[in-house]
Amino acid sequence: GAVVSQHPSWVICKSGTSVKIECRSLDFQATTMFWYRQFPKQSLMLMATSNEGSKATYEQGVEKDKFLINHASLTLSTLTVTSAHPEDSSFYICQGLASSYNEQFFGPGTRLTVL
Amino acid sequence: AQSVAQPEDQVNVAEGNPLTVKCTYSVSGNPYLFWYVQYPNRGLQFLLKYITGDNLVKGSYGFEAEFNKSQTSFHLKKPSALVSDSALYFCAVRDRNFGNEKLTFGTGTRLTIIP
Repeated sequence: GAVVSQHPSWVICKSGTSVKIECRSLDFQATTMFWYRQFPKQSLMLMATSNEGSKATYEQGVEKDKFLINHASLTLSTLTVTSAHPEDSSFYICQGLASSYNEQFFGPGTRLTVL
Repeated sequence: AQSVAQPEDQVNVAEGNPLTVKCTYSVSGNPYLFWYVQYPNRGLQFLLKYITGDNLVKGSYGFEAEFNKSQTSFHLKKPSALVSDSALYFCAVRDRNFGNEKLTFGTGTRLTIIP
């Protein structure tokens, strides 16, 4: 299957700082990227859907000014957690949609810990 | 709205025995159905999917799932469990309509294979 990478795989930051997570589709063009958050022992919760070149669509309850999503190219989407707080500590997973063959591929996830 | 239910938080099976992880879904129209596996601190790995055709779908690592439209179920099965199958399993559903590619996940079932 196709490959999606995420960077960094884990990050520890101080409260109040911003953290950027990159999601790259390595061998396909992802016209749509999905960002999920997973708290310990819980399921994946969709945060937002982003289409290349347009603004992301956020799920209810997700603050768009706190979780900035940029999808500037068909192979790269970024999620920036602004002014991070300990409650933002979570596992963040991206997923790329390869529209050419209507398949979806997950990245390996990024573990964010905010102190 | 689409939804997925995984009624069991935890399933324990002796090594070598058959295993079943249950999943039921609700979606308007005909669904795409998926099973994913997640190991600790890792992203989701695709196991199998139902799109159309044969109701019995075979996937990775010897897993299979049976689509039952009348019972709106998509239970995951394996004839003989391995200790290495111990992980967190997620069922997911997606609408077939183009432009609505969001996946909805169940809450997950932790499968423990006992040696």
